[in-house]
Amino acid sequence: KQEVTQIPAALSVPEGENLVLNCSFTDSAIYNLQWFRQDPGKGLTSLLLIQSSQREQTSGRLNASLDKSSGRSTLYIAASQPGDSATYLCAVKGYSTLTFGKGTMLLVSP
Amino acid sequence: NAGVTQTPKFQVLKTGQSMTLQCAQDMNHEYMSWYRQDPGMGLRLIHYSVGAGITDQGEVPNGYNVSRSTTEDFPLRLLSAAPSQTSVYFCASSYSPPSGTGGWTGELFFGEGSRLTVL
Repeated sequence: KQEVTQIPAALSVPEGENLVLNCSFTDSAIYNLQWFRQDPGKGLTSLLLIQSSQREQTSGRLNASLDKSSGRSTLYIAASQPGDSATYLCAVKGYSTLTFGKGTMLLVSP
Repeated sequence: NAGVTQTPKFQVLKTGQSMTLQCAQDMNHEYMSWYRQDPGMGLRLIHYSVGAGITDQGEVPNGYNVSRSTTEDFPLRLLSAAPSQTSVYFCASSYSPPSGTGGWTGELFFGEGSRLTVL
């Protein structure tokens, strides 16, 4: 059974810092990995989708990488802003299942 | 752009009552699904559908029913609500590849959620 772990569970940084969120998974036989953002009381918003054949995806200040063989993905956020404060979740798509991590709660202080 | 629309946003039920959570998407997505999100448990799949007339169980299906009569709609029914069903429910949809092998490989879009409290 696929297990997805996100470390750290919570992170607090001052504005302007570059930061890395981690996502690890136990079964490397995946189709894709998706990073989401969830604001309090809201649904999940897709940030980046990496197919299994890709190594990374970029969108603005966000860069996500995927290393299938080691079962790891990282989400890099450059020049963090208070508006980046949210919970970030990764989800791994296997053959018949989509498994979510429990998320990293990010707080960026002004 | 409506995307995925869920109603109601909030609902309070008494134990034993029934209700339906509505989900509609306007993106012509074949794949639709329902999740529940609980503190410390993360998101867990309840039921999903890969097209009209096709549904299947997810990780935590007990106490819930679904149907998919149209591509756009995927309602979730609680037949006899229990306090353990107090949760936030999310509907999500995605484009599904025509072959449907092993499910879908596309990007997943979520609704805003429905917060349900069962007393």
